[in-house]
Amino acid sequence: SQKIEQNSEALNIQEGKTATLTCNYTNYSPAYLQWYRQDPGRGPVFLLLIRENEKEKRKERLKVTFDTTLKQSLFHITASQPADSATYLCAHSNDYKLSFGAGTTVTVRA
Amino acid sequence: SAVISQKPSRDICQRGTSLTIQCQVDSQVTMMFWYRQQPGQSLTLIATANQGSEATYESGFVIDKFPISRPNLTFSTLTVSNMSPEDSSIYLCSVEGGLEGANEQFFGPGTRLTVL
Repeated sequence: SQKIEQNSEALNIQEGKTATLTCNYTNYSPAYLQWYRQDPGRGPVFLLLIRENEKEKRKERLKVTFDTTLKQSLFHITASQPADSATYLCAHSNDYKLSFGAGTTVTVRA
Repeated sequence: SAVISQKPSRDICQRGTSLTIQCQVDSQVTMMFWYRQQPGQSLTLIATANQGSEATYESGFVIDKFPISRPNLTFSTLTVSNMSPEDSSIYLCSVEGGLEGANEQFFGPGTRLTVL
């Protein structure tokens, strides 16, 4: 079965720098990968998804890439701000069900 | 996008008791999903609830422990039965939606359950 792995549990960066998060998958290439943000005590919020045939997708300061050769998606937060501090979850969809990675907690220092 | 509310937002319960969590959506949806998020962990799907049919449970979750109701297209309940401290988790409901048509989900705020 498909497995989603997010390599880093935590990422600490300086304000203004770019945060890069990694999501790896095993087995077959998923049709798309989704990225969510979760703040403490809140439910996840959908941010972006990227399809298998898309190399890159952007939304404001966020950028997602999909490399089917490396079986990997990268999630970038450019010009990071303290307000970007949160846990970011990668997920893939199997039919209608989502399977989530463990998440990466990003802390942006002012 | 859908707006989802959950009740209660948190509760502290004694072992052996049961708690019913409510999930209300502001629009009609076909499928609703229930997840568990144990402390420091990611989300695990418990079951999928369709209106008018039995919920579909994931491996490791059973109806006797987590009975689900789905009486209409905007509401669902999840009961955590005969609770033990291992059931202490955040329970979240979600629905599909979004413009991409790729199973993006909207989540409720969660119910934080502590079992003593």
